[in-house]
Formats: sequence, structure tokens, C-alpha cells
Amino acid sequence: RKEVEQDPGPFNVPEGATVAFNCTYSNSASQSFFWYRQDCRKEPKLLMSVYSSGNEDGRFTAQLNRASQYISLLIRDSKLSDSATYLCVVPLADNYGQNFVFGPGTRLSVLP
Amino acid sequence: GAGVSQSPSNKVTEKGKDVELRCDPISGHTALYWYRQSLGQGLEFLIYFQGNSAPDKSGLPSDRFSAERTGGSVSTLTIQRTQQEDSAVYLCASSLVSGYEQYFGPGTRLTVT
Repeated sequence: RKEVEQDPGPFNVPEGATVAFNCTYSNSASQSFFWYRQDCRKEPKLLMSVYSSGNEDGRFTAQLNRASQYISLLIRDSKLSDSATYLCVVPLADNYGQNFVFGPGTRLSVLP
Repeated sequence: GAGVSQSPSNKVTEKGKDVELRCDPISGHTALYWYRQSLGQGLEFLIYFQGNSAPDKSGLPSDRFSAERTGGSVSTLTIQRTQQEDSAVYLCASSLVSGYEQYFGPGTRLTVT
């Protein structure tokens, strides 16, 4: 099993729709999680951090299920500007500190 | 405040030449990471530094790749004898401490001809 897996996508949704992405991780010791968005030919930008059971920021909600080892990202009332690739990121402790494992990403296209 | 900066933003080089890519992390951030991303692909981890500790080099694809971080701040990624398969966007990120939120620079687009 890969360390971080995500819904393969792409997701094509109409404006105003609600869409949810899932991410599963293999390391049960991971304590914090992150969602990044990456626009085409741009660097990833932090969208949301998840340190406890979840987090909410406006139209975006992240939920963590430690027992099942997955994190979800819910986007309500999708906007055209939400079109991007969404990356699930899980820190992984190693001998040097904490490295980050990036999922392959889920691409979202919000259509007019 | 100032974010992560990288230079150059674009670099075109001939196969076989050496290149140096620079990263200036956010002031006060102790952890610094290098990644590369080929067109349409995911992020590939290369190396990371945490403070003054020995770096985790486990992601470097070959011994042609090396990186250093001077004074716990600026980092340079060096690629010797570049090959066409080295063409990619090289991204640098920093975080306050390893395991906390990472902030990315705009990347250096390397093209090896």
C-alpha cells in the first residue's frame, strides 16, 4: 500500500456543486495533515491544516478519521476559481526529523 | 512578510553542464525541502534539511545531485553533468520546524537541451 493515496479524479463538477475528495494514509503514527492546492504551472499553496478531528474554513471542510486512516476535503458551492489539483500531505517521522509525503493529487475542474 | 524565493526562475542549459539553483527560505524557518516536478507529474522529494542536523538525502536520484545549506538559511541545489531527464521544475519549501506547514517558492524551471 502506498503511503498516501488519493481519489484519482479528475472531478468535473458544475459551479455551485458540492464535491468531496478522499485521501488515505498508511502511517498510523501521523498526527497532522495538510491539504494543498496547485494551479497549473504554479507552486503548491497551503489550503488547510488538520491537527485534530477536522477543520473548517469558509466553503472548505477537512475531516480526519484516525481509525480508518483517511482525510477528506469537502468543497461547498464550488467556484470556477476552485479548479486546481488538490494535494493531500502527510508528515512522516524519520531519523532526520519529519519529512512530508505528498499524495498524487486529485484534479478538480469546475465548469460554468 | 517575504515568502520563499528561488533563483533563477528559468534556466536553460546544455547537456553536460553543471547548474546551481538557489533557495532563500522564510526568515526563521529551520526546515528546508527540495522537490522536483516534471510536467504533469506529482512532486518528487529530493532532500531536506532540519536545522544544523545532517540532511535527509534519500530522495536524490543520483550522485550528480547535491545540496548544501549555509548558515542554516540559504540553500543551493547543484546538478552536475546535466542530462535531458533532469528537465523539470525544481521547487523549494520551508517550514518553521519539520512537520509543520510548508511554504513553497515559485520554483526554477530547468530545461536541458
